[in-house]
Amino acid sequence: EAGVTQFPSHSVIEKGQTVTLRCDPISGHDNLYWYRRVMGKEIKFLLHFVKESKQDESGMPNNRFLAERTGGTYSTLKVQPAELEDSGVYFCASSHFNGPSGEQYFGPGTRLTVT
Amino acid sequence: GQNIDQPTEMTATEGAIVQINCTYQTSGFNGLFWYQQHAGEAPTFLSYNVLDGLEEKGRFSSFLSRSKGYSYLLLKELQMKDSASYLCAVRVFSGGYNKLIFGAGTRLAVHP
Repeated sequence: EAGVTQFPSHSVIEKGQTVTLRCDPISGHDNLYWYRRVMGKEIKFLLHFVKESKQDESGMPNNRFLAERTGGTYSTLKVQPAELEDSGVYFCASSHFNGPSGEQYFGPGTRLTVT
Repeated sequence: GQNIDQPTEMTATEGAIVQINCTYQTSGFNGLFWYQQHAGEAPTFLSYNVLDGLEEKGRFSSFLSRSKGYSYLLLKELQMKDSASYLCAVRVFSGGYNKLIFGAGTRLAVHP
C-alpha cells in the first residue's frame, strides 16, 4: 500500500510569489490533514478535510493560505502571496477513521523556503 | 490553552534504556500518540494510549496517566537507528472532530 506522498519535496520562492503544495493521501482515507512546522517549533495543525469538505480550518494562519480537495482525493495548499514567515515544513497526513482508532499517517513533508 | 512539554534533547548509550517524558494540559483529551521522526522523513506512528496504563510493543512501551496529564515513552535495548526525534501528540476532540496537538519533540542521540 502506497503511503502519503507530497510534492514538491523542496520549494524555494521569493517573497510575494505563489506556491502550491500537493498531497496525495493513502487511497480510501477520507480524512486529510495539513500541518506546518516552523523552524525550532512544534508541528501545528492547519486544517482537516473529510472527503472534499473542510471540517476544521481553525489553524490556517490567514487568508493568504487556501486549501482545496476537489473530488475528495488529493489536496492542494496554495500560499499567495508568500511571506518570509511562511517558511517551514508542511506536512500532510491522512486517516481512515476520525474516531478512537484513527491513527494518522504522515507524508514526508514539503520544505518551503521564502527568501 | 493547549500545552505539551517534553525535553528538547536526550542522549543514551547503545543497548541501554531511555525514558522520554511528556506532560500535557489540554481540553477535550481523546488519546495520546507517540511518533518517531528521522531527519527529513515523515513522522511514523509508534504508540497510542487512551486509557491509563502501559502499552507494550516490542522494544517500545508507552505509559499514560490521565489524572496527572503525563505520559512517557520507554525505549529498551537501544540501537543506533533509534537516534531520531520523538514527538508526543495529544488528540483533542473539538467541534465534533479530532485534531492532533504536538509537542516540540525530543531529539534522542544514541551513541556507541
